[in-house]
Amino acid sequence: DAGVTQSPTHLIKTRGQHVTLRCSPISGHKSVSWYQQVLGQGPQFIFQYYEKEERGRGNFPDRFSARQFPNYSSELNVNALLLGDSALYLCASSYSTGNTEAFFGQGTRLTVV
Amino acid sequence: AQSVTQPDIHITVSEGASLELRCNYSYGATPYLFWYVQSPGQGLQLLLKYFSGDTLVQGIKGFEAEFKRSQSSFNLRKPSVHWSDAAEYFCAVGAGNSGYALNFGKGTSLLVTP
Repeated sequence: DAGVTQSPTHLIKTRGQHVTLRCSPISGHKSVSWYQQVLGQGPQFIFQYYEKEERGRGNFPDRFSARQFPNYSSELNVNALLLGDSALYLCASSYSTGNTEAFFGQGTRLTVV
Repeated sequence: AQSVTQPDIHITVSEGASLELRCNYSYGATPYLFWYVQSPGQGLQLLLKYFSGDTLVQGIKGFEAEFKRSQSSFNLRKPSVHWSDAAEYFCAVGAGNSGYALNFGKGTSLLVTP
């Protein structure tokens, strides 16, 4: 079975641009969460979606948004990119919310120049 | 608010030696606790988790962790370290019923010497 897949693996953007990151969860998983990992730090929670509805939001500005599609895949959108948005963006999928195991993808490395 | 502290930023151990990575948490209720490992440029792999029950939990790759409520700790151990264990290790606490937002520590970087 395929694990959590994220695309693209790497990308470089210019300040002020917009970016869309994509995530496909493990088959049968209905929850997707997004995390930002800045170099040298632990991952920080951005969003959780379950059954296409937002179930949790971390302390990130409104420039960050996400959605989940009927097939449970998800997109993370970031507008008006700042240098500080450079990070590894991780997607995690789980069967549901609550105390279920989360499986992480390999991440998308975003560099803002 | 829940928080996680990993006091050791870097740890160096010799191959074959024992390992203990420390994790302290702050959370009002019974926490859901996790240890993840991350190799350079990779995503996170779950080593083990604690939700309830036996406070000594076994994980993959020969790792174990012990939940100590009185000390608010969830330390990770391995009796004999292999060179392939060199990686970044993250402790995390989950809010459980309120969703699956994991709160991670800053990580401990493990270096294994010959």
